[in-house]
Formats: sequence, structure tokens, C-alpha cells
Amino acid sequence: QSVLSQPPSASGTPGQRVTISCSGSSSNIGTNYVYWYQQFPGTAPKLLIYLNNQRPSGVPDRFSGSKSGTSASLAISGLRSEDEADYYCAAWDDSLSVVVFGGGTKLTVL
Amino acid sequence: QVQLQESGPRLVKPSETLTLTCTVSGGSISNYYWSWIRQSPGKGLECIGYIYYSGSTQYNPSLKSRVTMSVDTSKNQFTLMLRSVTAADTAVYYCARERAFDIWGQGTMVTVSS
Repeated sequence: QSVLSQPPSASGTPGQRVTISCSGSSSNIGTNYVYWYQQFPGTAPKLLIYLNNQRPSGVPDRFSGSKSGTSASLAISGLRSEDEADYYCAAWDDSLSVVVFGGGTKLTVL
Repeated sequence: QVQLQESGPRLVKPSETLTLTCTVSGGSISNYYWSWIRQSPGKGLECIGYIYYSGSTQYNPSLKSRVTMSVDTSKNQFTLMLRSVTAADTAVYYCARERAFDIWGQGTMVTVSS
């Protein structure tokens, strides 16, 4: 079982706005930054959001991150077929002294 | 641009030691943390630990007793050793830069089997 909780699946139609949640605790999301990764089948994950809401160069502004208390969210606006992938959240955990991940959310574009 | 490439045996026997090397190209290994992450088939991601270019390390407590990481700045490489492997250690192993994992290697599938 993953330390951070994500819904196993999410879906939306092209152009729609979709959000993926990530729930943690006071020892991880509550006190540390949240990161989001995008992974296509058979490829390595790619950093999508860092420091809760910052986008690396090259990541479209359709992707945004937010954090409140012990939860975080990834929002994708103007959904496109190429956004169909697995999305993972991550954060440092003060109790475990390691980065912990969510179990991942498979996004389907209908 | 900085690129990472994992290398090492794809098949390891139970109870033996898994050793992987990550080669950093297009940039220096200095002044960064370097991480290892694994992903079991069909499952999520697990951070194994990381090493600073100076050699200091931090390991996942669940793997700490079996893990050793090292760095060779002259070769721009860092290495993962995982001892006493079992089938549960079968996974895709990734190396990555920094504790934010901002750059990843392509990953290498390691199978533990006799």
C-alpha cells in the first residue's frame, strides 16, 4: 500500500478540465513540497510539477498543481488525447526519511 | 542536455547481489544528489535512496539493511548494490537526478530468478 493515496483512475473528454487528488498526512504533504510525475507505458516518469505548483521548462501551462493541508491536486485543463498516461504524486516523509509516492492514477481521455 | 543511462545485469539469482551503474552524460555529477527508484511490474514507484556527489547517502528504511550506494566522480557514475535479492526485488530500476527526480534514466528491467 502506498503512503500517499490517489484514485486509481480518472477520465475526461477532450477540452475538459480534470483534477487528480493526492492525500497524505502531516509527516509528508502537510509539511513538505509535493511533486507530480507523468508516465507513459514503457517509459520513465517525467517531472510535471515541483515545489507544489511549479512547472519545469517545457511543461504546458495546462498542467497546474496545488496543495492544501495534507492534500494536493493536479489539474489538467483543455484535456488532450496525448495526456492519457499514469500520474504519480510524491513528497518527502519526515517519519520515514524517504520520498514517498502515491499509487498512481491512470488518466483516460474518452 | 543531461542524460542518465542505467547499466548492469538483467538477470540476478536469488540471494545474490544486484549491482547497477548509472552514467551521467552532458553534465557534471558534482553538486547534485543522485537517486535510485524502482517500479515493480504493474505497480507503483518506490524510492530506494540517494547519494550526494560527495558520498553521503540516505536509504529507504525498508531496504537500508541491504542497500549500498557509491559514487565515482572521475567517471561521472554512481552505483547501486542491493544484496540478498528475492523475487520481490524484480522491477524496473531507474536512476534520477536530485531528490525531486527532475531527470530520469530510461530504466532497466531486472529479474530475480534462478
